[in-house]
Amino acid sequence: DTEVTQTPKHLVMGMTNKKSLKCEQHMGHRAMYWYKQKAKKPPELMFVYSYEKLSINESVPSRFSPECPNSSLLNLHLHALQPEDSALYLCASSQEWLAGGYNEQFFGPGTRLTVL
Amino acid sequence: GDSVTQMEGPVTLSEEAFLTINCTYTATGYPSLFWYVQYPGEGLQLLLKATKADDKGSNKGFEATYRKETTSFHLEKGSVQVSDSAVYFCALSDLRAGGFKTIFGAGTRLFVKA
Repeated sequence: DTEVTQTPKHLVMGMTNKKSLKCEQHMGHRAMYWYKQKAKKPPELMFVYSYEKLSINESVPSRFSPECPNSSLLNLHLHALQPEDSALYLCASSQEWLAGGYNEQFFGPGTRLTVL
Repeated sequence: GDSVTQMEGPVTLSEEAFLTINCTYTATGYPSLFWYVQYPGEGLQLLLKATKADDKGSNKGFEATYRKETTSFHLEKGSVQVSDSAVYFCALSDLRAGGFKTIFGAGTRLFVKA
């Protein structure tokens, strides 16, 4: 299984809502990532988890809260978002993060988020 | 800091034409280099990779060679198909702060006409 799955595919939420994005992989990867991608732009790294520990937070606002309950799952909890947070949110995984190697990442299809 | 620069698109080609998408990078260390492809409505897929100087990555008729002397990793394909229409991202992965960070170029949109 070389797939990263993400749910939901689409999400529309108001600025006062609380919602969560979910990501799952069963490749035994120990590094997982959240990216934000605006239209016609490259992905921007938000968070890196390595061995279920948060390793990188790219100065992301606290209204985005990541969680890694186990080595296969990654969540992104959303609260009090702004319309400018509307984007495609991509999850990715790779074998390792701290070890050497070429760090090939496997991406999920993304969640298209719209904040009204 | 590290960065990736790739040619602006969109690039429009006829089927069976030759494709080149230029990519250059700056990095302080010895990065690994990648090309990812994103089809409409989907996430990114790894197209090919190279981990050291003079390595050639290849997949599905696409090729790119890691050129350290020119800090380049240009993507080429001899004969494009309509199904190759997508956005192509050049990327590097380099060691920073105890771990690896992947930096993407801006992306080049390719349209292939039948």
